[in-house]
Amino acid sequence: AQKITQTQPGMFVQEKEAVTLDCTYDTSDQSYGLFWYKQPSSGEMIFLIYQGSYDEQNATEGRYSLNFQKARKSANLVISASQLGDSAMYFCAMRELDTGGFKTIFGAGTRLFVKA
Amino acid sequence: DSGVTQTPKHLITATGQRVTLRCSPRSGDLSVYWYQQSLDQGLQFLIQYYNGEERAKGNILERFSAQQFPDLHSELNLSSLELGDSALYFCASSEGDSATNEKLFFGSGTQLSVL
Repeated sequence: AQKITQTQPGMFVQEKEAVTLDCTYDTSDQSYGLFWYKQPSSGEMIFLIYQGSYDEQNATEGRYSLNFQKARKSANLVISASQLGDSAMYFCAMRELDTGGFKTIFGAGTRLFVKA
Repeated sequence: DSGVTQTPKHLITATGQRVTLRCSPRSGDLSVYWYQQSLDQGLQFLIQYYNGEERAKGNILERFSAQQFPDLHSELNLSSLELGDSALYFCASSEGDSATNEKLFFGSGTQLSVL
């Protein structure tokens, strides 16, 4: 079964508008971490934002915020005031304790296109 | 610049060959992770080392092996290469090992093409 599900293979957003990228996860652990990473066309993976499972407040980092709904096991990324440079692949990831140690696993990603 | 160095950036080889990918973590980071990114499989976790010891294992084939050396750099060895091993291989590092908030810093990757 998929641990991290990103149901939107591709998304379009108009420049300066907000966009939400969906992510649902599956875990039986009480303690885990949720992350979003950005991969521009140049290929590098860039950390964007982190949310801990015990954090009561939604995480925010500049124009990025994470809409954390624990009961629904969702961790959606909201990008406000989209910019052309936001066009990239976005990955949701979860870190949890598995047999042998902590693992960070990634979803399939969502490709975001920002239109001028 | 994440501070994680991967070499080489590109590697072209033939089926049946063996290659070694190298990774130097960020200064101060003790954990090194290897991931494989391909179009059909996405970003797959292979293996993690912490301070020289293997800590977590993912979908790593038996033909693949890795190690972390005393100076904390890591090598991923891929042998008996097949066409399907063509992928982008990422190394990442983090400060520690035992927390859910370990942020990963990624290198720029090694693009492996098996012909």
